[in-house]
Amino acid sequence: QVQLVQSGAEVKKPGASVKVSCKASGNTFSNYDFNWVRQAPGQGLEWMGWISASNGHTNYAQKLQGRVTMTTDTSTSTAYLELRSLRSDDTAVYYCAREDSQGTHMAVWGRGTTVTVSS
Amino acid sequence: QSALTQPRSVSGSPGQSVTISCTGTSTDVGGYNYVSWYQQHPGKAPKLMIFDVNKRPSGVPDRFSASKSGNTASLTISGLQAEDEADYYCCSYAGSYIFGALYVFGTGTKVTVL
Repeated sequence: QVQLVQSGAEVKKPGASVKVSCKASGNTFSNYDFNWVRQAPGQGLEWMGWISASNGHTNYAQKLQGRVTMTTDTSTSTAYLELRSLRSDDTAVYYCAREDSQGTHMAVWGRGTTVTVSS
Repeated sequence: QSALTQPRSVSGSPGQSVTISCTGTSTDVGGYNYVSWYQQHPGKAPKLMIFDVNKRPSGVPDRFSASKSGNTASLTISGLQAEDEADYYCCSYAGSYIFGALYVFGTGTKVTVL
């Protein structure tokens, strides 16, 4: 049973950057694609973007274009999310989610990383 | 890409059935048979309940069923149980940019077991 272990909570000031990691157990990391999803306090789920672990191709939500970068490190089976120029409305729980082999849904989720943006 | 529209809340007594709708457009729900549903309990990560419109992952009770007609998908919980009280989100594949996937989530529905 694959598990996704995310990095710990972060507190950042407005304008700063944050990098969240998501380490996958198992030895088939490169066979899958990963998504990042965030949830602001009391709000719904928001898809942020997608990355292929096999070739590093990415797609980002339009509203985040220019501020977000998703990467993977196949040597450590880890996916990363970097968000720059943080604002207060970036305060949220950030989830990584691995697709299944078909690539049509998010089958396995991490427990989430809380990012708080406050001056 | 706008969020898919779900009712804010639905409720039912134990043993009853509830249905949650998820309305999108021809570019997401209506365009692909790739609607998934996620259950989220307070303070927990979402859990996949349905994928590809009506398929259940291993371990999900058959009380959960789903369908799609046109631009609207639906999730039905039959024989409602106390542990079904949670937030539910639909999600649709919505095509791709140059290289890969694009998804859109629903607004979320709180299911209350009376």
